[in-house]
Amino acid sequence: NAGVTQTPKFQVLKTGQSMTLQCAQDMNHEYMSWYRQDPGMGLRLIHYSVGAGITDQGEVPNGYNVSRSTTEDFPLRLLSAAPSQTSVYFCASSRGQYMNTEAFFGQGTRLTVV
Amino acid sequence: GNSVTQMEGPVTLSEEAFLTINCTYTATGYPSLFWYVQYPGEGLQLLLKATKADDKGSNKGFEATYRKETTSFHLEKGSVQVSDSAVYFCALSGGSYIPTFGRGTSLIVHP
Repeated sequence: NAGVTQTPKFQVLKTGQSMTLQCAQDMNHEYMSWYRQDPGMGLRLIHYSVGAGITDQGEVPNGYNVSRSTTEDFPLRLLSAAPSQTSVYFCASSRGQYMNTEAFFGQGTRLTVV
Repeated sequence: GNSVTQMEGPVTLSEEAFLTINCTYTATGYPSLFWYVQYPGEGLQLLLKATKADDKGSNKGFEATYRKETTSFHLEKGSVQVSDSAVYFCALSGGSYIPTFGRGTSLIVHP
């Protein structure tokens, strides 16, 4: 059981470049989300989706786009990378509709923007 | 809105010491409460959970009790090991699809 798979694990970008962080889950979860983790800041929600075709902004959405064309995939796009986007990015999924649902996380993508 | 407050770290302990990491929350209704653990270089994984008042979640020697009267869910372990060194996140789920996480507490255990 693969769970939540993120690719790539590491990435270095130049300022202004664009890229897509991939996230896929094989648990048929409705809810998926993207977080960034920075020292001293904990986890901050970027975007989330409650089902295929439905996305919404989280706490820090600027500079990022998402789409949810299938239940399994939830890619995160950086439109024009900036050094402030240097961070570790985590994708998570959950069943979503139940109060006691737990979140399953990917291994993370460590992004450096130079 | 919902919020989670946990003690700042790092918490530094010697092996076999007693551990407490405090967590308090603000939420409407009756949320479910969670502790997640993040080992170095990895994603978060569920450590334990409790879904209603007075429930005790437990796993790998860790325990936490859902205290509605004090809106708390403190994490405890009687005897920590070096392998417990990690970052611990308190979280709640309820009222919406979006779980709320605390900022995380780093635990460092020395031999």
